[in-house]
Amino acid sequence: QQPVQSPQAVILREGEDAVINCSSSKALYSVHWYRQKHGEAPVFLMILLKGGEQKGHEKISASFNEKKQQSSLYLTASQLSYSGTYFCGTVVSSGSARQLTFGSGTQLTVLP
Amino acid sequence: DAGVIQSPRHEVTEMGQEVTLRCKPISGHNSLFWYRQTMMRGLELLIYFNNNVPIDDSGMPEDRFSAKMPNASFSTLKIQPSEPRDSAVYFCASSRPIDSATYNEQFFGPGTRLTVL
Repeated sequence: QQPVQSPQAVILREGEDAVINCSSSKALYSVHWYRQKHGEAPVFLMILLKGGEQKGHEKISASFNEKKQQSSLYLTASQLSYSGTYFCGTVVSSGSARQLTFGSGTQLTVLP
Repeated sequence: DAGVIQSPRHEVTEMGQEVTLRCKPISGHNSLFWYRQTMMRGLELLIYFNNNVPIDDSGMPEDRFSAKMPNASFSTLKIQPSEPRDSAVYFCASSRPIDSATYNEQFFGPGTRLTVL
């Protein structure tokens, strides 16, 4: 089942902060975040693993609440280059599952 | 590193024709994923391979779709016969060997934009 992302779209000025949320109805093993610019392929940003380990981007942070099955991506002091569509991908807690199920995306526009 | 390579980048075909999309994963990666992206349905996983073996094809829409991975450096996604509703961007992605403790990031190719008239 597809995770739910919110908001669907956000517009902000350069230097402002944004938070993108991702929630699942299933228990999660990990949450992945990707960014896709228009006409390009998705690019990996971050993985959050059960137990708190994170791997990812220097200037973008995220949290993973295992109990609530939610993750949030924090974009602070946004830059023009942050514009794009952000997808969360979830991996359920299963030993055999490798696949990501992506949310519908959050379109972020950063204006000068 | 050349990244994931997909061909063709654009394909326009007529309904009923066979379409073959190609993917070369990053060398050393042993997992390969085929995704379809549309405005209506977002980014959907169609099938994924681990060590050239199809692991989960539950996302393949119907029998018109088939995928193969004859070796570690090549995969194809075939649609036969194609229909207008197959129009989408098809992405191939690969990832490094996955151990039991972590899930590695996926590296996406540039995609193939398919238009079925």
